[in-house]
Amino acid sequence: AQTVTQSQPEMSVQEAETVTLSCTYDTSESDYYLFWYKQPPSRQMILVIRQEAYKQQNATENRFSVNFQKAAKSFSLKISDSQLGDAAMYFCAYRRSQGNLIFGKGTKLSVKP
Amino acid sequence: DAMVIQNPRYQVTQFGKPVTLSCSQTLNHNVMYWYQQKSSQAPKLLFHYYDKDFNNEADTPDNFQSRRPNTSFCFLDIRSPGLGDAAMYLCATSRGIEETQYFGPGTRLLVL
Repeated sequence: AQTVTQSQPEMSVQEAETVTLSCTYDTSESDYYLFWYKQPPSRQMILVIRQEAYKQQNATENRFSVNFQKAAKSFSLKISDSQLGDAAMYFCAYRRSQGNLIFGKGTKLSVKP
Repeated sequence: DAMVIQNPRYQVTQFGKPVTLSCSQTLNHNVMYWYQQKSSQAPKLLFHYYDKDFNNEADTPDNFQSRRPNTSFCFLDIRSPGLGDAAMYLCATSRGIEETQYFGPGTRLLVL
C-alpha cells in the first residue's frame, strides 16, 4: 500500500525567509502524481503545486518550488520569501494513475513577523 | 466564480439523529468526493462519484451514505451519528479521476 510521510508536525519561519517542508512516500508504481495542498485555519484546502512523476524537471509556482527526488521517493516543498499569509497546514499527497489521493498527516507552518 | 460550496459550514446534531451535509459545484466536474478530516489528521476519503457511479472505500462505515441527484449536487448522509463521527467533512471535485481536485470549505460536524 502507498503511504505518505511528513516527518515535521510543525515548522516555523521568519517572514521573508525560506523554509523547506519534507515529504517522503512509498510506492511500487512508476506512474503517479504528487501534490502539496495548503489548508489555512478555517479556510478551504487549495492546491499549491503538482508534480508528475514522469517529469524530471521540478515544478515551480511563483514562490513555491519542489525538490522531487524520484529514486529517493522524496518530494519537499520550498517556500521562498515567506509571507504571513503562508501560515497554514500543508499536506503532501500522492496519487497513482487512476487512483485516489493519499495524504500525509500534515505540517503546520507558522510565519513570524 | 466557479467553486465548490458546502452548506452548512457548521452543523450540530444529536447522538443517533440522522444528519445530511450538502455539497454543490459550479465547475461542472464529473467527479465528486467526500472526505472526513478529524482534528490534526489528514483527510480520509469516504467515497466518490464518477458521474452517477458510486465508489465506496472499503473501510468506510455503513453509517455513511451518499447521494448525487445531479451533476451539481452531492449529499453525505450519516444515518446514526456517533461521538466519533465529529469531524470536518470536506467535499472535493475534479473533472476526471486524474485531474486536480478542488476542495470546498468543509462542514464541521459536532455530535452532542
